Amino acid sequence: NAGVTQTPKFRILKIGQSMTLQCTQDMNHNYMYWYRQDPGMGLKLIYYSVGAGITDKGEVPNGYNVSRSTTEDFPLRLELAAPSQTSVYFCASSYGGPGEQYFGPGTRLTVT
Amino acid sequence: GESVGLHLPTLSVQEGDNSIINCAYSNSASDYFIWYKQESGKGPQFIIDIRSNMDKRQGQRVTVLLNKTVKHLSLQIAATQPGDSAVYFCAEIVGNTDKLIFGTGTRLQVFP
Repeated sequence: NAGVTQTPKFRILKIGQSMTLQCTQDMNHNYMYWYRQDPGMGLKLIYYSVGAGITDKGEVPNGYNVSRSTTEDFPLRLELAAPSQTSVYFCASSYGGPGEQYFGPGTRLTVT
Repeated sequence: GESVGLHLPTLSVQEGDNSIINCAYSNSASDYFIWYKQESGKGPQFIIDIRSNMDKRQGQRVTVLLNKTVKHLSLQIAATQPGDSAVYFCAEIVGNTDKLIFGTGTRLQVFP
């Protein structure tokens, strides 16, 4: 199993541009999560999903959108990039609840 | 409100010594706690968890202690090794929510 994969690894965006961060898991997990991690800080939950077709907001959802059309994929969309969205983004998945989550390697995003 | 925090931002220990990383939480309704380890440039990795009906749980070289009276959680690492150098996060789940709330993190530095 590849586990949780994220693409791209790095990206630089200009203010106002849009992009989609991709996340795929091959463990047949129901639960998937998107977090952001600012330098020297903990992880903040952006959005999560408990199954295909179901998504919900986390602590910091403003400026982001998600969809969950399949069990495997959980893309995160930034519509109008802002410097405040400069961060490292982690995707995670878990099987039956939010406990033991498996994290991807992260996407480092810079907005200038 | 819901919050998880850590007492020490950086902990330096000598190789072979035991390490103790502390965490305070504020929500008495929290009933599940998890410790994650994050190495530089990687996503967090699950270490050990504990439910609120327990006060101690042991894994391989790690022990988690939970004191619900003072809302305190600790992670003990026995015979600390250079490979233990990382940032350690405690996280909590409140009630039946589907979300993990992460603390800020403690950096563990192991020196020879």
